[in-house]
Amino acid sequence: QITLKESGPTLVKPTQTLTLTCTFSGFSLSTSGVGVGWIRQPPGKALEWLALIYWDDDKRYSPSLKSRLTITKDTSKNQVVLTVTNMDPVDTATYYCAHSHSGDYEFDSWGQGTLVTVSS
Amino acid sequence: AIWMTQSPSLLSASTGDRVTINCRMSQGISSHLAWYQQKPGKAPELLIYAASTLQSGVPARFSGSGSGTDFTLTISCLQSEDFATYYCQQYYYFPPTFGQGTKVEIK
Repeated sequence: QITLKESGPTLVKPTQTLTLTCTFSGFSLSTSGVGVGWIRQPPGKALEWLALIYWDDDKRYSPSLKSRLTITKDTSKNQVVLTVTNMDPVDTATYYCAHSHSGDYEFDSWGQGTLVTVSS
Repeated sequence: AIWMTQSPSLLSASTGDRVTINCRMSQGISSHLAWYQQKPGKAPELLIYAASTLQSGVPARFSGSGSGTDFTLTISCLQSEDFATYYCQQYYYFPPTFGQGTKVEIK
């Protein structure tokens, strides 16, 4: 059974850097074809894909946010970390990490999400 | 950039109804489309990928169809647990993008 769980601060100030950790079980991020992505959802709004890291450490970023995002993995700890720099109130959202089994961008297992509020 | 139009945005239906949700693309995406269900306060769940492949464990009353630019999610006999918001997602063009969602509410 695949499980993922996001952790990190619930409140950050404008201009600060957000660091979120996704801790997972039930799969290995060293298995060919596997990826872990991050998706966010502002309150009451639609989903927005942010980033994806593959088993081979290849990384993909949303072009609109690429300059602010960094995704890394620690295979030994079963963790994926997303950092978002220069946070703004418009970045207030629930942030989800999710598993991709195919190397493509559809996500078959999701974490519960963590709400991050950006406010001074 | 690819444009996605998901319709309707709100659908009022009764238990037992057959409902359809549409997703239209501005450019062809072959069959690179997924459908998700999201309930309030919960994470999305994958229902269908590759336009018509049912994810393991998803009830057979859910089905997907279409290719190219026009896609449909059908719920053949709406159950109480199906009242939720549904999103389509294309993953043919980079970056992957989601539709604006269709809320299925009780009529």
